[in-house]
Amino acid sequence: EAQVTQNPRYLITVTGKKLTVTCSQNMNHEYMSWYRQDPGLGLRQIYYSMNVEVTDKGDVPEGYKVSRKEKRNFPLILESPSPNQTSLYFCASSFLGGRRYEQYFGPGTRLTVT
Amino acid sequence: AQTVTQSQPEMSVQEAETVTLSCTYDTSESDYYLFWYKQPPSRQMILVIRQEAYKQQNATENRFSVNFQKAAKSFSLKISDSQLGDAAMYFCAYRRIIQGAQKLVFGQGTRLTINP
Repeated sequence: EAQVTQNPRYLITVTGKKLTVTCSQNMNHEYMSWYRQDPGLGLRQIYYSMNVEVTDKGDVPEGYKVSRKEKRNFPLILESPSPNQTSLYFCASSFLGGRRYEQYFGPGTRLTVT
Repeated sequence: AQTVTQSQPEMSVQEAETVTLSCTYDTSESDYYLFWYKQPPSRQMILVIRQEAYKQQNATENRFSVNFQKAAKSFSLKISDSQLGDAAMYFCAYRRIIQGAQKLVFGQGTRLTINP
């Protein structure tokens, strides 16, 4: 089954404790992206990647890191989480180029930083 | 910068009736895509319908249709014969491609309630 998976689905942590949210897709997509969803703000892009070892900042990259060592995986790293990073996070992927434009979303990760 | 505005934070409709959700966007581009996503309580983002800017014909998917007004930069979603399963948060999104990089910008969302 074609899908984007994220882990964990729920996470409660404390300020300053490094964490990683994993994202994996099985559709051979070149493009992957992370979003955060906050009430009244919709989804905002954090980072994206167009291929292995190619990443770039989105609209709200501060406090986050990403890596793309393999095509299928795109982990999101919070090296020193703060309460303002409490949010719902989505990973998404799609093909690049042409008209195959649909982004497939993961199930979301609810993060709470206390 | 591209922005997407959904001016209705909440909407409600009686089951079996029709409801229209509004979306406006701001862009100077001529080639782009527009989407409506549905987010039910499960939080999963589900693509409802898409519209390519170069197509004048409004997209339709079963009970879902759009009214795309390119000059007015308006992209509303009409849901006909509303069903209880349509209750969800709906997001309008704008997408452009620059040198292969995708930029997907979302509106604030509209929470739709279906009254039985």
